[in-house]
Amino acid sequence: RKEVEQDPGPFNVPEGATVAFNCTYSNSASQSFFWYRQDCRKEPKLLMSVYSSGNEDGRFTAQLNRASQYISLLIRDSKLSDSATYLCVVSSNSNSGYALNFGKGTSLLVTP
Amino acid sequence: GAGVSQSPSNKVTEKGKDVELRCDPISGHTALYWYRQSLGQGLEFLIYFQGNSAPDKSGLPSDRFSAERTGGSVSTLTIQRTQQEDSAVYLCASSMAGVYSYEQYFGPGTRLTVT
Repeated sequence: RKEVEQDPGPFNVPEGATVAFNCTYSNSASQSFFWYRQDCRKEPKLLMSVYSSGNEDGRFTAQLNRASQYISLLIRDSKLSDSATYLCVVSSNSNSGYALNFGKGTSLLVTP
Repeated sequence: GAGVSQSPSNKVTEKGKDVELRCDPISGHTALYWYRQSLGQGLEFLIYFQGNSAPDKSGLPSDRFSAERTGGSVSTLTIQRTQQEDSAVYLCASSMAGVYSYEQYFGPGTRLTVT
């Protein structure tokens, strides 16, 4: 079983729509949680960290449910520039430092 | 400031040849990570450096893969006797390490194609 699982999509939404992505992780010892964004043929870039209390950054809201081992990302008022692959990422301190475990990503396409 | 840089950006090599990939982390970042991303796959952790030491090499796919880091800065990932299944994008990331400063910043990657 993969450690981080995401719905691969694709999610096709019109501009201005609200879209939500979900992710589950299997390692209950995971300590850190992130959403990364990856554009086609580019490196992943940190979108936001995810905290237990939930956090918001502009149009983006992230939630963490440790009991259910579930992470979510909500994007409001989608823009064309939001089109990308969104990677759910978890990490824990181990011999591998804080090596990141990536989901395979959820593809989002925002259309005019 | 300068981000993580990697070279070469693209590398095409024949099966059986050795390749060396280079990563320059962000200045002052003590932790360095190598990952690879194969077509249609998620990112896969390869190896981690804290300073010049690599506490965990278990992510390396085979003994054809090795990595080193010198001076707590530049790192090289070497693949010997390359195979077609080694074709992937190899990504390097660095971070400050420490409890609250472990956000990792990625380089642009090296796209390796083994023919």
